[in-house]
Amino acid sequence: SAVISQKPSRDICQRGTSLTIQCQVDSQVTMMFWYRQQPGQSLTLIATANQGSEATYESGFVIDKFPISRPNLTFSTLTVSNMSPEDSSIYLCSVAWGETQYFGPGTRLLVL
Amino acid sequence: AQSVTQLGSHVSVSEGALVLLRCNYSSSVPPYLFWYVQYPNQGLQLLLKYTSAATLVKGINGFEAEFKKSETSFHLTKPSAHMSDAAEYFCAVSGSGGSQGNLIFGKGTKLSVKP
Repeated sequence: SAVISQKPSRDICQRGTSLTIQCQVDSQVTMMFWYRQQPGQSLTLIATANQGSEATYESGFVIDKFPISRPNLTFSTLTVSNMSPEDSSIYLCSVAWGETQYFGPGTRLLVL
Repeated sequence: AQSVTQLGSHVSVSEGALVLLRCNYSSSVPPYLFWYVQYPNQGLQLLLKYTSAATLVKGINGFEAEFKKSETSFHLTKPSAHMSDAAEYFCAVSGSGGSQGNLIFGKGTKLSVKP
């Protein structure tokens, strides 16, 4: 399986600011995904990030709010822009590896 | 369209007792099914997966699950609960593309283990 790390592990931010979350994988992977887990809720896919192409966003998520970069096959970033308290969540990246998606440890974001 | 229903948002068992966490799915294509575990303040860890091979799947930490197409179920079991099993468990489904597509997650079941 792939080993995935995320930075930061947690942060507290003020409303109106932006935070960029990094996801690093120890192997080259084609497909990476970004999920959001709101407090007490399950995971919801934000977007799929493939290297060399624009990210594909799920319904309810837009590029202006959640811009994503995928500069190479081992790295991706998700930015949460113009944050509000409703953005307080755990943000997780995952990678497709064989038949399975493997998840990073998550970034715990609190917006005040 | 695919969906997952996990019955029981919270299950409590005694240490040494049987663990049964229920998952029913809906899928218009042959599904791939997964169970993930999330320990407090951690990410998701894969417990086991069904990918159209054997219907009884064994995973880590003594967990197993059985795919029953007729019942559209993929319940997770463990014969004897351990205190360290206390966590939240998520069932997920994807289409026949497996990891290449969107994983649809259930709402999760929080397992408590009493001494």
